[in-house]
Amino acid sequence: AQKVTQAQTEISVVEKEDVTLDCVYETRDTTYYLFWYKQPPSGELVFLIRRNSFDEQNEISGRYSWNFQKSTSSFNFTITASQVVDSAVYFCALSTYSNYQLIWGAGTKLIIKP
Amino acid sequence: DGGITQSPKYLFRKEGQNVTLSCEQNLNHDAMYWYRQDPGQGLRLIYYSQIVNDFQKGDIAEGYSVSREKKESFPLTVTSAQKNPTAFYLCASTVRNTEAFFGQGTRLTVV
Repeated sequence: AQKVTQAQTEISVVEKEDVTLDCVYETRDTTYYLFWYKQPPSGELVFLIRRNSFDEQNEISGRYSWNFQKSTSSFNFTITASQVVDSAVYFCALSTYSNYQLIWGAGTKLIIKP
Repeated sequence: DGGITQSPKYLFRKEGQNVTLSCEQNLNHDAMYWYRQDPGQGLRLIYYSQIVNDFQKGDIAEGYSVSREKKESFPLTVTSAQKNPTAFYLCASTVRNTEAFFGQGTRLTVV
């Protein structure tokens, strides 16, 4: 079975704090892909990153960074020096080579207070 | 510019009425998807299509129908059999194992 778990339903921090959003996945496939999306209040989903199962390098893009650890089946997302504009719902998703439907986590609502 | 266009942005349906949500993409993607999102909830898959003239039911297909006569188009009809259709509907497209691109969504309300 394939599954994505985002255990944090809602996180609230004060601006400029660092915040980490957790994502744990389950799959028996050896080839798979992990994604993070941002959904601002407008509703449209914005793609942030894709990572394949053979690439465990961490990724940094400005204030955003991602930590992929196969040993713990986790793909966590950290925002450094958070800003009010980061307030959104963030989704983690999984697809596999054998079934490329996206399996979605329930999402984490991130609230950044000024 | 390449992308996915959903229309209308807002749609109101009367009880017992069928309505059709439009989704068009010019990304030359093979696969297209329809998701439903209720307030404060995640995405639930309604239907998906991996090639023209073929589509499969997702987790919550009852009360919905789709067609895929052209690669670019994947309209969703919300039928009168869907008893609680008020929700936010998102269309997406993708090439195998790459990121999905999403439309801006349609907010459907029953009046």
